[in-house]
Parts: sequence; structure tokens; C-alpha cells
Amino acid sequence: DAGVIQSPRHEVTEMGQEVTLRCKPISGHNSLFWYRQTMMRGLELLIYFNNNVPIDDSGMPEDRFSAKMPNASFSTLKIQPSEPRDSAVYFCASSFYLAEHSPLHFGNGTRLTVT
Amino acid sequence: GENVEQHPSTLSVQEGDSAVIKCTYSDSASNYFPWYKQELGKGPQLIIDIRSNVGEKKDQRIAVTLNKTAKHFSLHITETQPEDSAVYFCAASPLGGNQFYFGTGTSLTVIP
Repeated sequence: DAGVIQSPRHEVTEMGQEVTLRCKPISGHNSLFWYRQTMMRGLELLIYFNNNVPIDDSGMPEDRFSAKMPNASFSTLKIQPSEPRDSAVYFCASSFYLAEHSPLHFGNGTRLTVT
Repeated sequence: GENVEQHPSTLSVQEGDSAVIKCTYSDSASNYFPWYKQELGKGPQLIIDIRSNVGEKKDQRIAVTLNKTAKHFSLHITETQPEDSAVYFCAASPLGGNQFYFGTGTSLTVIP
């Protein structure tokens, strides 16, 4: 299995531009998570989906952030307009959740720099 | 909600020594506790996990202990090697939920 695949690996953009991050979860997994990692705040959960349905988006910082999961094999996280404080590493993770916990499998992240 | 605290934030050990990282959690409903290792430029990778019906679990040089009464769990790495150098995260997940609450991470350096 190729694992969770994220693209791009690096993104540099100017303030005010739209940014789209992409994620392909592990085939067969039914839960997908978006995390943001910074030195100051560590790993923050932004949003997660079960069976393509958003369950908890309380971690999304503000309306500039949106996430979609149109099917079981693809998700996007969009920031519009981007701001310098959005600079961070964004991780996507997936798991197969039924009645008992299964661990998260993380992608290698997208390092976003907003200038 | 759940609050996970992790200590220490940095840890340096000599190669061959043991390393211990400790976490506490606040929600007694948490029943699943994974540990992740993050190497530079990569995402966190699961190294070991424990469920609340077990007090200890070992996998070669890595072990995790859980004290439900005190609400704390620990990662033990024995015979450390330079390739163990990384950032380690603990996490807690509540019964019936699919959320994971992460500690703030421990940067482990193993000195050759």
C-alpha cells in the first residue's frame, strides 16, 4: 500500500492567494483527518470525515478554511484568502474506524509558506 | 474535552541508555493510547499503542505502560540507538469516539 498521499509537498504563495491541499487516503479507510502542525501549537485537528461526511469541523480556524471529501479516495483543504499566519505543515491522516479504535496513518504533509 | 500533557519536551540520552516519556490525560473515557514517532520531513508514524484493558505492552525495545487510576501512560525505549532520534507524540482517544488528542511532543536525541 502506498500509504496516505498528499500533494503538493511544498507550497509557497503570496498573501491573499487561494491555496488547495490534496489528500488521497489509504484504500479501504473510512475516516479522514486534516491536522495542522506548528511549533507554537503542535498538532491541531482541523476537521475529520467519517464515510465522506464531515463530523467535526470545530478546529477549522475561520471561514477562510474549507474542506471537502467528494468521494472515499480524495479530499481537499482550501484556504482562501491565505495569510502569513497560515504558514504551517498540514497533515492528512486516515483510519478504518468501526466499533474499536484503529490508529491514524499520516501522510508526509504539505509545508505551506505564505509570504 | 480531553487534555493530554506530555513531558519532557526535550530529552537527550547516551546511546545504549533508556529513554522514558510520560503523558497524562484528563478524560476518564479515553481508552486508546497510541504513540507516534515523527522524523524530520515526515508525518508521524505509529510505533506502539495500548488499550485501557491492558497495563503494559512491549515490542522489542519499546514498551508502553498505562495507569488508568492515575490517568497517565509512558513510553519506554531501551538500548537507545541514534536512529531513535526523533519527535515522539502521545495521544488519547475516547471510547466511542474517533477523535485523537495529541500531546505536545518530545524531541529525543540519542548521542552516539
